[in-house]
Amino acid sequence: LAKTTQPISMDSYEGQEVNITCSHNNIATNDYITWYQQFPSQGPRFIIQGYKTKVTNEVASLFIPADRKSSTLSLPRVSLSDTAVYYCLVGVYNTDKLIFGTGTRLQVFP
Amino acid sequence: GAVVSQHPSRVICKSGTSVKIECRSLDFQATTMFWYRQFPKQSLMLMATSNEGSKATYEQGVEKDKFLINHASLTLSTLTVTSAHPEDSSFYICSARRRAGNTIYFGEGSWLTVV
Repeated sequence: LAKTTQPISMDSYEGQEVNITCSHNNIATNDYITWYQQFPSQGPRFIIQGYKTKVTNEVASLFIPADRKSSTLSLPRVSLSDTAVYYCLVGVYNTDKLIFGTGTRLQVFP
Repeated sequence: GAVVSQHPSRVICKSGTSVKIECRSLDFQATTMFWYRQFPKQSLMLMATSNEGSKATYEQGVEKDKFLINHASLTLSTLTVTSAHPEDSSFYICSARRRAGNTIYFGEGSWLTVV
């Protein structure tokens, strides 16, 4: 199972773009990269998933370089409600386990 | 997005009793469900993987006789904490993988307090 490394915490201000990078040097060929958001006392919420290059949805973008050893979650114009913990996970397609790392605690200030 | 529901969201039980937490996938079939445990300000710790119709696979250090997991159907898995003790107090979260696809969705979590 690929291990992921993320910054423990990040601070930002409302309206700014936030980029959270995750390292996964041992990612395997069949691994997907998935990002989740978690608020206190809630289960993680799926944000975005990708395999390579760039993926964009209504809330975020995910950038994955060609070697796939890292990925960057980009949150455009964050608001106070984006204050949460963000987890990067790497999962093998045909096996089941998703192992959580420490996550990145994002604090957005007014 | 897919919905995974847990019940109860909060439960208080007396030490020595057992408590059951349900996890349901509401709008998709889940061949695999996962149970996690989370202490305050810590990350999620995977406890076990539950496959429909077969025995759960527990992670190292998780007592299978204490944390009984049943996955009787494609939409329901249950976690029973037996002979609960105060140190079992925690936030328990389930998740489910769609039968087809690679995305895993999480429930809202269940707070267990053992007094």
